[in-house]
Amino acid sequence: DVKVTQSSRYLVKRTGEKVFLECVQDMDHENMFWYRQDPGLGLRLIYFSYDVKMKEKGDIPEGYSVSREKKERFSLILESASTNQTSMYLCASKGLGREVRQYFGPGTRLTVT
Amino acid sequence: DAKTTQPPSMDCAEGRAANLPCNHSTISGNEYVYWYRQIHSQGPQYIIHGLKNNETNEMASLIITEDRKSSTLILPHATLRDTAVYYCIVRVNNFGNEKLTFGTGTRLTIIP
Repeated sequence: DVKVTQSSRYLVKRTGEKVFLECVQDMDHENMFWYRQDPGLGLRLIYFSYDVKMKEKGDIPEGYSVSREKKERFSLILESASTNQTSMYLCASKGLGREVRQYFGPGTRLTVT
Repeated sequence: DAKTTQPPSMDCAEGRAANLPCNHSTISGNEYVYWYRQIHSQGPQYIIHGLKNNETNEMASLIITEDRKSSTLILPHATLRDTAVYYCIVRVNNFGNEKLTFGTGTRLTIIP
């Protein structure tokens, strides 16, 4: 089975801190995604990557950056955390070609105080 | 990607079939219908997808109307572990369009 892991389930950070959220997948998938999930808004795509060192902005990239130095790892970076970035962050991966499903990690609940 | 409409919540008795509707009246010919679910405190999980034919797998069945403007996800014998939020997503399945647009879904509660 595909496994997508995220570095933390719960994280508490202070306003202004630099925050790193890490995601690792073990199925050699080309595509990786970062979403945030907020009540009443569903899941919204922040960034995705379709190859090492490649990235594309999603619907809400402001305040975030990403890094993909290795195929299995996709990092989400909050350069200067703000309270409106308190959310559930979900990472997903997906293969190419006939693979149609995205595999999600368990999520990181980030609280910025 | 076409927009979808789902009821915000539904209940179903344990052991009965759960039928979750989804309206996608603006779907275009090359758009697939996908279903995911999200159990509390977990990431979303793929269930099934289809283009125009009905589909069945070990988790569920997907019934798509002939005009493709709506579909129904069927969980044939619902258990308490099926309590989750169910998302219906419509998208083109091709390279370069990998994004999934999740709406707010249907919160399904299985009643013992």
